[in-house]
Parts: sequence; C-alpha cells; structure tokens
Amino acid sequence: AQKITQTQPGMFVQEKEAVTLDCTYDTSDPSYGLFWYKQPSSGEMIFLIYQGSYDQQNATEGRYSLNFQKARKSANLVISASQLGDSAMYFCAMRANYGGATNKLIFGTGTLLAVQP
Amino acid sequence: ETGVTQSPTHLIKTRGQQVTLRCSSQSGHNTVSWYQQALGQGPQFIFQYYREEENGRGNFPPRFSGLQFPNYSSELNVNALELDDSALYLCASSFGDTLAGELFFGEGSRLTVL
Repeated sequence: AQKITQTQPGMFVQEKEAVTLDCTYDTSDPSYGLFWYKQPSSGEMIFLIYQGSYDQQNATEGRYSLNFQKARKSANLVISASQLGDSAMYFCAMRANYGGATNKLIFGTGTLLAVQP
Repeated sequence: ETGVTQSPTHLIKTRGQQVTLRCSSQSGHNTVSWYQQALGQGPQFIFQYYREEENGRGNFPPRFSGLQFPNYSSELNVNALELDDSALYLCASSFGDTLAGELFFGEGSRLTVL
C-alpha cells in the first residue's frame, strides 16, 4: 500500500536559517513522483517542488531543494534562508499510476513550520 | 494565483442535507480531481475526472458524486450529509494525466455540517 509519513508535527526555525522537513514514503510501484506543497492559512495548496523516481539528481527550485534518497525511501525538503512568509503547513505527497487516476496524490499529515524573527 | 477558483468559500449545512461545490479550472485543463481535508489532516483523494468521465475514485461512498463540464468547470455533490463530512474540499486540475504534471489547487470550500 502506498503511504507517506511525516513524523514532525511542528518545527521552529530562526529567520535566515535552513530547515529540513522529513518525509518517508512506501510504494511498490517502480515509477512514481514525489511532491512538496505549502498550505498557508488561506487553504490553497501551493506547489513547491517535484522529484521523479527515475531522476538522477535531486530537484531544486530556488530556496527549495529535495533530498531524495531512494534506497531509504525518503524525500526530505530543505528550505534555505528561511523567511517569515515561509510559516505554513507543509505536505509531502506521492503520485503513482493508480489504474488511470494519475491525479491521485497520497498526502502525509503535514508539518507546521513556524519561522521566528 | 493558480487559476483555479472554487465556490462557495464557506458554507454551513445540517445533517441529511445535500451540497454542491463548484470548481472552475484553467482553460485546457482536462483533468480535475477533488480532495477532502479534515481538520489537522492531509487531503484525501475523492475522485478524478478526465474528459468528463470519472476514471479513479478513492475510498468514499457513492453519496459523493461529481460532474465535469466541457467549459473546464466541475462539481462535487454530497448527499445525505454527515457530521464527519465537515472539512475543506479542494479541487485540483491539470492538463493531461502524467506523473510529473503539476496539479493546480484552488483555495477550497470549507464545509461545516451541524
């Protein structure tokens, strides 16, 4: 069964410091995609970064990078130089071929990040 | 700004009633999916529509149903509302259905069932 595990319910980080949000996943599909989304209090899910299971290099998008360790089934998000606006809920999610429903994302329970000045 | 809009943003219903939530996707996005997010949880997949046909469903009963229209809008209908249906309902759209395709989410409709 596909599953995403986020073990950090909440994290604090000082402004301008880096922070790592943990994510482990479980799937038997050889082809899958891993996503990180940010959800501010408004509710909208904001796409941050994507890593494909066959990608050789770790994905990076500006201040976001994904530390992909396939053998350990982990896909941690690293945010460098944290900003106050980064305070939000962060979700790790996985997408695989679910019999045609490829928009089916399996989400973790999220990590609430608070950036302190 | 994702180009996906949902309405209404908030609504209150009572047990047993029916509700219709609406989503307007970006032009050209032929795939739409709906998610239920209970308080303090991650979103749960309800179902997906591709070219106006349901082609995937999560672990939700038949009283959750949907429609997708040619003008890139869609609906989520929930009959016989229960207290546990109180949640944020998110619509997500994309062009096509590839693994790497980005999903664009709306801000959601927050449903409270009393």
